[in-house]
Amino acid sequence: GESVGLHLPTLSVQEGDNSIINCAYSNSASDYFIWYKQESGKGPQFIIDIRSNMDKRQGQRVTVLLNKTVKHLSLQIAATQPGDSAVYFCAEYSKGGSARQLTFGSGTQLTVLP
Amino acid sequence: ETGVTQTPRHLVMGMTNKKSLKCEQHLGHNAMYWYKQSAKKPLELMFVYNFKEQTENNSVPSRFSPECPNSSHLFLHLHTLQPEDSALYLCASSRSTGLSGELFFGSGTQLSVL
Repeated sequence: GESVGLHLPTLSVQEGDNSIINCAYSNSASDYFIWYKQESGKGPQFIIDIRSNMDKRQGQRVTVLLNKTVKHLSLQIAATQPGDSAVYFCAEYSKGGSARQLTFGSGTQLTVLP
Repeated sequence: ETGVTQTPRHLVMGMTNKKSLKCEQHLGHNAMYWYKQSAKKPLELMFVYNFKEQTENNSVPSRFSPECPNSSHLFLHLHTLQPEDSALYLCASSRSTGLSGELFFGSGTQLSVL
């Protein structure tokens, strides 16, 4: 079936380095994507989103890149800080039943090393 | 604070118990969701409500019974659960299921079924 998945389950980076988290999706009809961050003991929090008519979107220290040709999404975090340690999920909007449905990937655990 | 509050934060129950999870949102949203998050698995959508009406039931066993008395409150009634139902149960809200937009999540209820 259609799914959203992540290439790597874990990622460790040195504090101050840039982080890149990747995500592959298979539903070519998906037109809206979101990255979420989940810290221990908390629910997922919105980081940044992108629509399929865009290739790139920048936020504060974060950039999302969308490559529709190969159905690939990435999240880049600049100057990674200890507070960035968390699980990161990509999610895509697709048609499900009577409503648009948000489907999540399995997540990547980012660990920032001192 | 995301504007979505879940209680209790932790719950331990036996297989014969009946308990309820509560979710409240103060964002003026019209859609509310229940997700299940198990270790090493993607978030699984359970139920969706839009303007108090259930629009999605993702083949959830009947031992989980949702209730949405108004657009601000969502309950998940639990009875005769199994140990494999132990997980983090997350509530979320959004403006409407017909619109693409971020979901705002609560911190979840960590459920343990003994």
